[in-house]
Amino acid sequence: GAVVSQHPSRVICKSGTSVKIECRSLDFQATTMFWYRQFPKQSLMLMATSNEGSKATYEQGVEKDKFLINHASLTLSTLTVTSAHPEDSSFYICSATDRGLTLNTEAFFGQGTRLTVV
Amino acid sequence: KQEVTQIPAALSVPEGENLVLNCSFTDSAIYNLQWFRQDPGKGLTSLLLIQSSQREQTSGRLNASLDKSSGRSTLYIAASQPGDSATYLCAVRGWGGANSKLTFGKGITLSVRP
Repeated sequence: GAVVSQHPSRVICKSGTSVKIECRSLDFQATTMFWYRQFPKQSLMLMATSNEGSKATYEQGVEKDKFLINHASLTLSTLTVTSAHPEDSSFYICSATDRGLTLNTEAFFGQGTRLTVV
Repeated sequence: KQEVTQIPAALSVPEGENLVLNCSFTDSAIYNLQWFRQDPGKGLTSLLLIQSSQREQTSGRLNASLDKSSGRSTLYIAASQPGDSATYLCAVRGWGGANSKLTFGKGITLSVRP
């Protein structure tokens, strides 16, 4: 299957600082990427849909000024957690679908990023 | 609003057993359904994708079925092995293709005992 690379896999930051997480589709082009958050023993919760060349669409309850999403190319989307606080500590995962497979729409996921805010 | 349920939350079986993992969803208007595997602290690995027009898909020891009208899917694992221990999540994609979102269940944590 297609490969989605997410970096970093783990990050520890101080409260009040910002953290950027990168999501890259390595062998396909992704018009749309999705950002999820996962709490322990919970399901993945969609945070936002990232569209190449346009503004991201955020789910209800997700602060767009806190979770900045940039999708500058067909292979890269970034999520920046601004002014991070301990409650932002979580597992963040990105997903992408191959725009060349319009009928398939199989979702491929990155390895995830464990964010710990101290 | 689509809701996806996976019960039980955890399952422990002896090695070699055939097992079935269940997934149910409330809105039958789905584009496709996908089963994933997640190892602790890792991302998701796609196992099987079933389009809404299909009834089942097979890959190796895995077989997934879809009954859209009743809102159910099952993942069948044959001859389970300790390496199959992981959390299995099902997710449905709403009608709208690649840009529509996936709704996930909470997953079933499977432990296969040697």
